[in-house]
Amino acid sequence: DAGITQSPRHKVTETGTPVTLRCHQTENHRYMYWYRQDPGHGLRLIHYSYGVKDTDKGEVSDGYSVSRSKTEDFLLTLESATSSQTSVYFCAISEGRAPGELFFGEGSRLTVL
Amino acid sequence: AQSVTQLDSQVPVFEEAPVELRCNYSSSVSVYLFWYVQYPNQGLQLLLKYLSGSTLVKGINGFEAEFNKSQTSFHLRKPSVHISDTAEYFCAVSGRNTPLVFGKGTRLSVIA
Repeated sequence: DAGITQSPRHKVTETGTPVTLRCHQTENHRYMYWYRQDPGHGLRLIHYSYGVKDTDKGEVSDGYSVSRSKTEDFLLTLESATSSQTSVYFCAISEGRAPGELFFGEGSRLTVL
Repeated sequence: AQSVTQLDSQVPVFEEAPVELRCNYSSSVSVYLFWYVQYPNQGLQLLLKYLSGSTLVKGINGFEAEFNKSQTSFHLRKPSVHISDTAEYFCAVSGRNTPLVFGKGTRLSVIA
């Protein structure tokens, strides 16, 4: 299994509070991604990174920011969480941008009350 | 921009019966196509991928898919399903320099 660790795995928070999800990899892969999964929507890309300090927006980036200061860590931050951000968040990594295979973490379930 | 349509949100099928999960894509450029599987409470894992070459692609667990450029389809098939195949299946597409775009998923339920 690819070495991807997401933390926390479960979190309950209140509207308006900041939240940071962490993705840590031990594979030294260049590309890292954050997706959210919602019923009826499949997986939607939030942000991705193609190197240290190099990031780009995905389909649903509003309300989210990311940072990558080290190859192995990719942080997703919700500056002020809203109920619409209740979701399961998946981190993924790949060696190449395309058409490489993505390896997924186990997911982080976030509930915003 | 690429997009993916999975035509069935849920597919119930009896054990040992064949199954086809349908996927159509939209793209104006060359595409790479993928099927991923998600078992309950887990992340996604790759079933198979089409990058180039033979249009019939074989994957893990006895699954296969056929790339049909004229119909812009990449349907997933298995001749005989097992209870353990119960999961959600996602079709995905990417271009040469674009991240994967996923379909909304098809929930396969295998009935004993």
